[in-house]
Amino acid sequence: DTEVTQTPKHLVMGMTNKKSLKCEQHMGHRAMYWYKQKAKKPPELMFVYSYEKLSINESVPSRFSPECPNSSLLNLHLHALQPEDSALYLCASSHGRTGLTYEQYFGPGTRLTVT
Amino acid sequence: AQSVSQHNHHVILSEAASLELGCNYSYGGTVNLFWYVQYPGQHLQLLLKYFSGDPLVKGIKGFEAEFIKSKFSFNLRKPSVQWSDTAEYFCAVNSRTGGFKTIFGAGTRLFVKA
Repeated sequence: DTEVTQTPKHLVMGMTNKKSLKCEQHMGHRAMYWYKQKAKKPPELMFVYSYEKLSINESVPSRFSPECPNSSLLNLHLHALQPEDSALYLCASSHGRTGLTYEQYFGPGTRLTVT
Repeated sequence: AQSVSQHNHHVILSEAASLELGCNYSYGGTVNLFWYVQYPGQHLQLLLKYFSGDPLVKGIKGFEAEFIKSKFSFNLRKPSVQWSDTAEYFCAVNSRTGGFKTIFGAGTRLFVKA
Protein backbone atom coordinates (compact mmCIF):
# COMPACT_ATOMS: atom_id res chain seq x y z
CA ASP A 1 0.00 0.00 0.00
CA THR A 2 1.69 3.20 -1.20
CA GLU A 3 -1.17 5.49 -0.45
CA VAL A 4 -1.50 8.53 1.73
CA THR A 5 -5.11 9.37 2.45
CA GLN A 6 -6.48 12.71 3.54
CA THR A 7 -9.86 13.74 4.86
CA PRO A 8 -11.91 15.70 4.17
CA LYS A 9 -11.37 16.40 0.47
CA HIS A 10 -13.01 19.78 0.75
CA LEU A 11 -13.61 22.01 3.76
CA VAL A 12 -15.34 25.36 4.03
CA MET A 13 -15.03 27.08 7.37
CA GLY A 14 -15.72 30.44 8.91
CA MET A 15 -13.05 32.47 10.62
CA THR A 16 -14.34 31.55 14.07
CA ASN A 17 -14.62 27.80 13.45
CA LYS A 18 -12.40 25.02 14.72
CA LYS A 19 -11.79 22.14 12.35
CA SER A 20 -9.20 19.42 11.80
CA LEU A 21 -7.57 17.88 8.77
CA LYS A 22 -6.55 14.24 8.92
CA CYS A 23 -3.86 12.26 7.17
CA GLU A 24 -3.09 8.55 7.30
CA GLN A 25 -0.45 6.26 5.83
CA HIS A 26 0.33 2.58 6.31
CA MET A 27 3.69 2.35 4.59
CA GLY A 28 5.65 2.25 7.83
CA HIS A 29 7.04 5.71 7.17
CA ARG A 30 8.25 7.52 10.26
CA ALA A 31 8.32 11.05 8.81
CA MET A 32 5.14 12.93 8.01
CA TYR A 33 4.72 16.40 6.55
CA TRP A 34 2.17 19.16 6.12
CA TYR A 35 2.44 21.45 3.12
CA LYS A 36 0.35 24.39 1.97
CA GLN A 37 -0.12 24.91 -1.76
CA LYS A 38 -1.69 27.98 -3.26
CA ALA A 39 -2.97 27.92 -6.82
CA LYS A 40 -0.21 27.80 -9.44
CA LYS A 41 2.46 27.76 -6.70
CA PRO A 42 4.74 25.04 -5.38
CA PRO A 43 4.06 23.30 -2.08
CA GLU A 44 5.37 25.19 0.94
CA LEU A 45 6.52 23.18 3.92
CA MET A 46 4.67 23.85 7.17
CA PHE A 47 5.56 21.07 9.61
CA VAL A 48 7.51 17.84 9.75
CA TYR A 49 7.14 15.07 12.30
CA SER A 50 9.84 12.48 12.70
CA TYR A 51 9.15 9.46 14.89
CA GLU A 52 6.07 11.24 16.20
CA LYS A 53 8.07 14.26 17.34
CA LEU A 54 7.83 17.69 15.78
CA SER A 55 11.03 18.13 13.84
CA ILE A 56 10.37 21.23 11.74
CA ASN A 57 7.98 24.15 12.20
CA GLU A 58 8.45 26.67 9.42
CA SER A 59 7.30 29.62 11.52
CA VAL A 60 3.69 28.75 10.91
CA PRO A 61 1.09 30.91 12.75
CA SER A 62 -0.31 29.35 15.90
CA ARG A 63 -3.78 29.14 14.38
CA PHE A 64 -2.39 25.98 12.74
CA SER A 65 -1.65 23.26 15.28
CA PRO A 66 -0.22 19.91 14.16
CA GLU A 67 -0.55 16.66 16.02
CA CYS A 68 0.91 13.21 15.42
CA PRO A 69 -0.99 10.73 17.61
CA ASN A 70 0.89 7.71 16.27
CA SER A 71 3.20 6.71 13.46
CA SER A 72 0.36 6.35 10.95
CA LEU A 73 -1.69 9.45 11.67
CA LEU A 74 -1.14 13.16 11.29
CA ASN A 75 -3.65 15.86 12.12
CA LEU A 76 -3.73 19.58 11.49
CA HIS A 77 -6.00 21.50 13.84
CA LEU A 78 -7.33 24.79 12.53
CA HIS A 79 -8.69 27.66 14.58
CA ALA A 80 -9.47 31.30 13.84
CA LEU A 81 -8.16 31.10 10.28
CA GLN A 82 -8.01 34.00 7.87
CA PRO A 83 -9.28 34.09 4.28
CA GLU A 84 -5.68 34.10 3.05
CA ASP A 85 -5.28 30.65 4.60
CA SER A 86 -7.50 29.26 1.85
CA ALA A 87 -5.36 26.75 -0.05
CA LEU A 88 -4.75 23.09 -0.79
CA TYR A 89 -3.22 21.39 2.25
CA LEU A 90 -1.07 18.43 1.39
CA CYS A 91 0.11 15.65 3.62
CA ALA A 92 3.17 13.58 2.74
CA SER A 93 5.22 10.83 4.28
CA SER A 94 8.69 9.39 3.83
CA HIS A 95 11.18 7.12 5.52
CA GLY A 96 12.33 8.76 8.69
CA ARG A 97 16.05 8.24 8.87
CA THR A 98 17.71 11.61 9.32
CA GLY A 99 20.52 12.12 6.84
CA LEU A 100 19.06 9.73 4.31
CA THR A 101 15.92 11.56 3.41
CA TYR A 102 13.91 9.57 0.94
CA GLU A 103 11.30 10.66 -1.53
CA GLN A 104 7.94 11.77 -0.26
CA TYR A 105 4.58 10.21 -0.96
CA PHE A 106 1.82 12.76 -1.18
CA GLY A 107 -1.86 12.57 -0.41
CA PRO A 108 -4.52 14.15 -2.65
CA GLY A 109 -4.89 17.13 -0.36
CA THR A 110 -7.71 18.95 1.40
CA ARG A 111 -9.06 21.99 -0.41
CA LEU A 112 -9.72 24.53 2.35
CA THR A 113 -11.81 27.65 1.89
CA VAL A 114 -12.03 30.17 4.73
CA THR A 115 -14.99 32.51 4.53
CA ALA B 1 19.64 31.24 0.88
CA GLN B 2 18.56 27.85 -0.38
CA SER B 3 16.55 28.01 -3.58
CA VAL B 4 15.39 26.05 -6.60
CA SER B 5 14.90 27.74 -9.94
CA GLN B 6 12.90 26.34 -12.82
CA HIS B 7 13.47 28.32 -15.97
CA ASN B 8 10.31 27.58 -17.90
CA HIS B 9 6.96 28.33 -16.30
CA HIS B 10 4.85 27.27 -19.27
CA VAL B 11 5.82 24.94 -22.09
CA ILE B 12 3.66 23.94 -25.04
CA LEU B 13 4.78 21.07 -27.27
CA SER B 14 3.31 18.91 -29.96
CA GLU B 15 3.24 15.16 -29.51
CA ALA B 16 6.53 13.44 -30.37
CA ALA B 17 8.54 16.60 -29.68
CA SER B 18 11.49 16.35 -27.33
CA LEU B 19 11.30 17.89 -23.87
CA GLU B 20 13.89 19.46 -21.64
CA LEU B 21 12.93 21.31 -18.46
CA GLY B 22 15.62 23.21 -16.65
CA CYS B 23 16.25 23.14 -12.92
CA ASN B 24 19.04 24.89 -11.02
CA TYR B 25 19.51 24.93 -7.30
CA SER B 26 21.39 26.87 -4.72
CA TYR B 27 22.04 24.63 -1.74
CA GLY B 28 25.11 24.01 0.35
CA GLY B 29 26.46 20.54 0.83
CA THR B 30 25.40 17.21 -0.57
CA VAL B 31 21.91 17.18 -1.99
CA ASN B 32 19.13 14.82 -2.93
CA LEU B 33 17.32 15.84 -6.10
CA PHE B 34 13.81 15.03 -7.24
CA TRP B 35 11.35 15.66 -10.00
CA TYR B 36 7.70 15.39 -9.01
CA VAL B 37 4.75 15.50 -11.39
CA GLN B 38 1.17 16.54 -10.81
CA TYR B 39 -1.23 15.36 -13.51
CA PRO B 40 -4.54 17.20 -13.81
CA GLY B 41 -6.79 16.20 -10.93
CA GLN B 42 -4.19 13.92 -9.39
CA HIS B 43 -1.83 14.20 -6.46
CA LEU B 44 1.87 14.92 -6.59
CA GLN B 45 3.93 11.86 -7.39
CA LEU B 46 7.60 11.11 -7.78
CA LEU B 47 8.90 11.02 -11.34
CA LEU B 48 12.56 10.31 -10.55
CA LYS B 49 15.23 10.95 -7.96
CA TYR B 50 18.98 11.29 -7.59
CA PHE B 51 20.81 10.46 -4.39
CA SER B 52 24.25 9.33 -5.55
CA GLY B 53 26.03 7.32 -8.24
CA ASP B 54 25.31 7.62 -11.95
CA PRO B 55 24.33 11.24 -12.58
CA LEU B 56 21.97 10.18 -15.34
CA VAL B 57 18.85 8.81 -13.71
CA LYS B 58 15.86 7.22 -15.33
CA GLY B 59 12.34 7.52 -14.02
CA ILE B 60 8.89 6.41 -14.89
CA LYS B 61 7.19 6.93 -18.25
CA GLY B 62 10.41 7.38 -20.20
CA PHE B 63 11.66 10.44 -18.31
CA GLU B 64 15.30 10.91 -17.39
CA ALA B 65 17.31 13.62 -15.66
CA GLU B 66 20.96 14.49 -15.52
CA PHE B 67 22.70 15.85 -12.43
CA ILE B 68 25.56 18.20 -13.34
CA LYS B 69 27.22 19.10 -10.07
CA SER B 70 29.42 21.84 -11.52
CA LYS B 71 26.36 23.61 -12.88
CA PHE B 72 24.10 22.91 -9.89
CA SER B 73 21.58 21.61 -12.39
CA PHE B 74 19.17 18.69 -12.64
CA ASN B 75 17.39 19.00 -15.97
CA LEU B 76 14.51 16.74 -16.92
CA ARG B 77 14.30 15.22 -20.40
CA LYS B 78 12.07 13.05 -22.49
CA PRO B 79 12.85 12.23 -26.13
CA SER B 80 9.25 12.11 -27.32
CA VAL B 81 6.34 13.52 -25.33
CA GLN B 82 2.79 12.25 -25.40
CA TRP B 83 -0.50 14.03 -24.80
CA SER B 84 -0.71 12.20 -21.46
CA ASP B 85 2.43 14.01 -20.26
CA THR B 86 0.38 17.18 -19.87
CA ALA B 87 0.98 18.06 -16.23
CA GLU B 88 2.84 20.34 -13.86
CA TYR B 89 6.43 19.36 -13.11
CA PHE B 90 8.26 20.37 -9.94
CA CYS B 91 11.97 20.12 -9.29
CA ALA B 92 12.79 19.64 -5.59
CA VAL B 93 15.93 19.53 -3.49
CA ASN B 94 16.86 18.63 0.03
CA SER B 95 20.11 18.46 1.84
CA ARG B 96 21.56 15.08 2.77
CA THR B 97 22.49 16.53 6.14
CA GLY B 98 19.70 19.04 6.47
CA GLY B 99 17.02 16.66 7.47
CA PHE B 100 13.59 16.69 6.01
CA LYS B 101 13.25 20.17 4.60
CA THR B 102 12.57 19.91 0.87
CA ILE B 103 12.45 23.00 -1.28
CA PHE B 104 10.35 22.98 -4.44
CA GLY B 105 10.85 25.01 -7.56
CA ALA B 106 8.00 27.14 -8.86
CA GLY B 107 6.90 24.44 -11.27
CA THR B 108 6.59 24.14 -15.05
CA ARG B 109 3.20 23.67 -16.66
CA LEU B 110 3.57 21.44 -19.71
CA PHE B 111 0.80 21.22 -22.28
CA VAL B 112 1.17 18.66 -25.04
CA LYS B 113 -0.97 19.15 -28.11
CA ALA B 114 -2.36 16.00 -29.64
